[in-house]
Amino acid sequence: EVQLVESGGGVVRPGGSLRLSCAASGFTFDDYGMSWVRQAPGKGLEWVSGINWNGGSTGYADSVKGRFTISRDNAKNSLYLQMNSLRAEDTALYYCARGNYCSSTSCYTPIDYWGQGTLVTVSS
Amino acid sequence: EIVMTQSPATLSVSPGERATLSCRASQSVSSNLAWYQQKPGQAPRLLIYGASTRATGIPARFSGSGSGTEFTLTISSLQSEDFAVYYCQQYNNWPPGTFGQGTRLEIK
Repeated sequence: EVQLVESGGGVVRPGGSLRLSCAASGFTFDDYGMSWVRQAPGKGLEWVSGINWNGGSTGYADSVKGRFTISRDNAKNSLYLQMNSLRAEDTALYYCARGNYCSSTSCYTPIDYWGQGTLVTVSS
Repeated sequence: EIVMTQSPATLSVSPGERATLSCRASQSVSSNLAWYQQKPGQAPRLLIYGASTRATGIPARFSGSGSGTEFTLTISSLQSEDFAVYYCQQYNNWPPGTFGQGTRLEIK
């Protein structure tokens, strides 16, 4: 069974930093591209960042470019999101998701599995 | 960046009736279009990918169609568990993998 379990969310002041983690299990992690998707309270889905299967290619939404860094450790089956210079508008539930960046076989992959999310609140 | 526009924002339909949801891309995304369902307090769930292929375990009453810039999700006979928010997402030109703003399907 595919499982994605996020951790690392919390309350942080504007300008602060957080590092989100996602532990993956139930599939061959290094075959898949991975993404982070967020959802502000009462709002829709926003793709935040993605990384390809071997970590050699990454991408970011304009809203987080230069502040967030995605990475992965295939030996630990883990995905990360380092978030710096946080703003109030970054407050959201952050989902770890499988897909949306190149897998080992395709660069056109939907998100087929989602974690339950970790909540990030940026407030003074 | 490709903009995805969903319509209507809210759709009111009676159980047993058909629901048709639309998604339009600002430029062609070929058939690299997915539909997701999200219920309150839950993570989204993949329904359709490749514009028309049902994901594993998705009932046959869900169908997708379209290519290029115009896409449709049809639910043929609404069940009580189908009332939720539906999002489309293109994954043809990224980053980013842009989502539509969502259509809320509510009971009439």
